[in-house]
Amino acid sequence: DTAVSQTPKYLVTQMGNDKSIKCEQNLGHDTMYWYKQDSKKFLKIMFSYNNKELIINETVPNRFSPKSPDKAHLNLHINSLELGDSAVYFCASSQDYGTGEQPQHFGDGTRLSIL
Amino acid sequence: QKEVEQNSGPLSVPEGAIASLNCTYSDRGSQSFFWYRQYSGKSPELIMFIYSNGDKEDGRFTAQLNKASQYVSLLIRDSQPSDSATYLCAVPGGTSYGKLTFGQGTILTVHP
Repeated sequence: DTAVSQTPKYLVTQMGNDKSIKCEQNLGHDTMYWYKQDSKKFLKIMFSYNNKELIINETVPNRFSPKSPDKAHLNLHINSLELGDSAVYFCASSQDYGTGEQPQHFGDGTRLSIL
Repeated sequence: QKEVEQNSGPLSVPEGAIASLNCTYSDRGSQSFFWYRQYSGKSPELIMFIYSNGDKEDGRFTAQLNKASQYVSLLIRDSQPSDSATYLCAVPGGTSYGKLTFGQGTILTVHP
C-alpha cells in the first residue's frame, strides 16, 4: 500500500491553464507538505499544513493555492500556469511538525511540464 | 552563506570503496539532521537521521555529526553500484514548524 500517493504522476499542459495536483497519505500523519524540485534538482518547501491548518507558506506566487479538506489530504491548485512552473512537485507527510525532528515521507512526485 | 551546503559532485568511487558525503549548515539551533537518497526520476527516500554528536551506524551507512563545527556527513561503506544516486542533506530550523531546508544534493556514482 502506497503511504503517500500523488495524482497525476505526469501533467503536460499549456501556459495559462489552471491545474490541480492531489495528495493523500495513509500513514495517520498530522502534517503534510508541498515541495518543488526544479531542473537543478534543488528541493524547496512551498507549503505545510498541520491537521488542515496552514503553518508554512513560503514565498510562493499567489497563483499557487493549497487546500486541505482533511488531515490525510493536501491538494495544490495552480492558476495561470507559467513556463517557470515546470518542475517536479512532491507531497510529503510527517507525524507532526514540532521542531522538525520527525522524518518526512515523500510521494512519487508529479512532473509538470508547461508547453 | 547558504543555509545547507553540500558538494554537488559528482563524486565517483569504485565498487567496494567508502563514499564520504559532506554537509554544512548555518543554523546553530538545528537539532536534527536527515540524509535522503534520491534515485534519478524517483522521490527522496529517508536513509538516516541523527540527533546527537558523534556517529550513528545503520548497516553500511554511518552518519557523523559535529554540532560545534556545524557539520554532518554520511559514510557509505562497501559502496555498491546500486548506491549511485543523489544524496540530500536536510536540516530543520529551531521553530520551523517542520520546515526542512535541503542542500543541493551530492551526485554519487559507484562504478564496477
